Amino acid sequence: GDSVTQTEGQVTVSESKSLIINCTYSATSIGYPNLFWYVRYPGEGLQLLLKVITAGQKGSSRGFEATYNKEATSFHLQKASVQESDSAVYYCALSDRMGYKLTFGTGTSLLVDP
Amino acid sequence: EAAVTQSPRNKVTVTGGNVTLSCRQTNSHNYMYWYRQDTGHGLRLIHYSYGAGNLQIGDVPDGYKATRTTQEDFFLLLELASPSQTSLYFCASSFQNQAPLFGEGTRLSVL
Repeated sequence: GDSVTQTEGQVTVSESKSLIINCTYSATSIGYPNLFWYVRYPGEGLQLLLKVITAGQKGSSRGFEATYNKEATSFHLQKASVQESDSAVYYCALSDRMGYKLTFGTGTSLLVDP
Repeated sequence: EAAVTQSPRNKVTVTGGNVTLSCRQTNSHNYMYWYRQDTGHGLRLIHYSYGAGNLQIGDVPDGYKATRTTQEDFFLLLELASPSQTSLYFCASSFQNQAPLFGEGTRLSVL
């Protein structure tokens, strides 16, 4: 089946430092999935952070970026300079081209030290 | 403003108990979903629906029923709750080919 792998369960970064959260996927039944990053701030529901549906394209939102790398089957999330308010749990996800059923990774908890 | 509202936000029940989780969306979305989120598993799809009266089975449906009574309302039913169903439950809604909009979650504890 299809799957999403986030290797880091928890990441701690000092404020103003750069961040990368790794995400790789396997989409054997889909072949060409849509890719997403969702974020869950403490006490809140999941919010869509960014979505990319075309290989090679980059999505960006709130200073975060992610590039759809079809060859590497990756969709890593990056930010050049994190803020304490970025502390949250980040989920990578994929869907098929119909675009509604999501398969999620296990999430990466980001803690930004002030 | 687009919204998905879940109730209750927290629920405690005993093994064998009967639980209904409610979800309402005011976005005119046709798709609605129930996910559970457990440490080490991410979010997993339980059931989903593409309209009133419709129900589709997700990836982890065992022990759960669901009913979509209207375009707005989608309910998740646990008729004989078990401790393995202790989890954080999320409802979401969307149009087809649109990223789902999620509610704030319901934390369920089965003792």
